[in-house]
Amino acid sequence: AQKITQTQPGMFVQEKEAVTLDCTYDTSDPSYGLFWYKQPSSGEMIFLIYQGSYDQQNATEGRYSLNFQKARKSANLVISASQLGDSAMYFCAMRETFGNEKLTFGTGTRLTIIP
Amino acid sequence: NAGVTQTPKFRILKIGQSMTLQCTQDMNHNYMYWYRQDPGMGLKLIYYSVGAGITDKGEVPNGYNVSRSTTEDFPLRLELAAPSQTSVYFCASSYNTPQGNEQFFGPGTRLTVL
Repeated sequence: AQKITQTQPGMFVQEKEAVTLDCTYDTSDPSYGLFWYKQPSSGEMIFLIYQGSYDQQNATEGRYSLNFQKARKSANLVISASQLGDSAMYFCAMRETFGNEKLTFGTGTRLTIIP
Repeated sequence: NAGVTQTPKFRILKIGQSMTLQCTQDMNHNYMYWYRQDPGMGLKLIYYSVGAGITDKGEVPNGYNVSRSTTEDFPLRLELAAPSQTSVYFCASSYNTPQGNEQFFGPGTRLTVL
């Protein structure tokens, strides 16, 4: 089974609207972390936000928030008030087991913001 | 801090040639990683290291070798390049902390094998 599933290959969103990028994960490890990275067309990987499996509250970083639903094994990224500069590939990733820092990535969602 | 640096940025190899992709970080991170990203796909882990002198295989190690003689450097060696190794290669580093430690990525090396 896929460890990280991103079911939206591409999304188009009007500027200033909010957008939710879906991510579901599969693990039997009680201790894990979930990450979102942004990859603009220039190619670099930019860290956006992190959620630990034991965190009680959803993570937020500026316009980014992570909608963490542990029972459903989902970790959706919410971008509020989207901007043209948000157009990029977005990857969800999971780290299993404290001390083992390997990341498993999803296949990504290409987000395009329409003016 | 320069962060994570990778050289070269681009490279074209002929089938059967060898090369080393260089990766250096100046953040004193103990963990370092090599990923490859094929077109339209996510990143897949090739090798990783938890400290100088310690390396381990990731998901797709075949055709590659690594070494970690210092904390700063983590070179990736391709022996006998094959067209299937055409990809973008990312090096990354991180601390090992109880909190959600992000991985810091280099700018990538775009490799084409013809």
